[in-house]
Amino acid sequence: DAGVIQSPRHEVTEMGQEVTLRCKPISGHNSLFWYRQTMMRGLELLIYFNNNVPIDDSGMPEDRFSAKMPNASFSTLKIQPSEPRDSAVYFCASRPAGVGETQYFGPGTRLLVL
Amino acid sequence: DAKTTQPTSMDCAEGRAANLPCNHSTISGNEYVYWYRQIHSQGPQYIIHGLKNNETNEMASLIITEDRKSSTLILPHATLRDTAVYYCIVRVYYTGTASKLTFGTGTRLQVTL
Repeated sequence: DAGVIQSPRHEVTEMGQEVTLRCKPISGHNSLFWYRQTMMRGLELLIYFNNNVPIDDSGMPEDRFSAKMPNASFSTLKIQPSEPRDSAVYFCASRPAGVGETQYFGPGTRLLVL
Repeated sequence: DAKTTQPTSMDCAEGRAANLPCNHSTISGNEYVYWYRQIHSQGPQYIIHGLKNNETNEMASLIITEDRKSSTLILPHATLRDTAVYYCIVRVYYTGTASKLTFGTGTRLQVTL
């Protein structure tokens, strides 16, 4: 089992550029979560998909952020335009169907916006 | 959301038991307590969860008080590799079985020689 796969692992970009983060959840898992982690704010839930449908996007900071899950094996988090305050580690996690809350996290994408 | 309170940091000698406390006095009757940990630069890792009974797995034990207002995570023989931030989280339900976790600031456990 490869676990949750995220790409890229590191991204350095300039303010105003578009950034796309990618996530491949564990096969068979039906829930997917995007988190952002910073020193100031800790680990924050951005958006939660269940069976490819967004359930809760209340954590998405603003309209510059968008997330999609076109199928069960792929999700993207896009920031357009990016700003220096978006610099953070972005984690994707997936969860199998059922009543538990055992989430499996990917290694994260470290984003630096200059 | 049920709020949890944890000490900011703790130290533990290698080979000794690490006991990490958590207060969740506003927990509801059907809300589970989950523990995750995050080793530096890695994604959080699930450890254990429970509702009202004590639980044990290959990683740790979870002791929940009878009134469910607090719990303790026990690492029976801490090693240097257990140095991490430990999060105590109360599962939050939307409707039906849809739920999420809200991570707090956690306890930074430092295991020393």
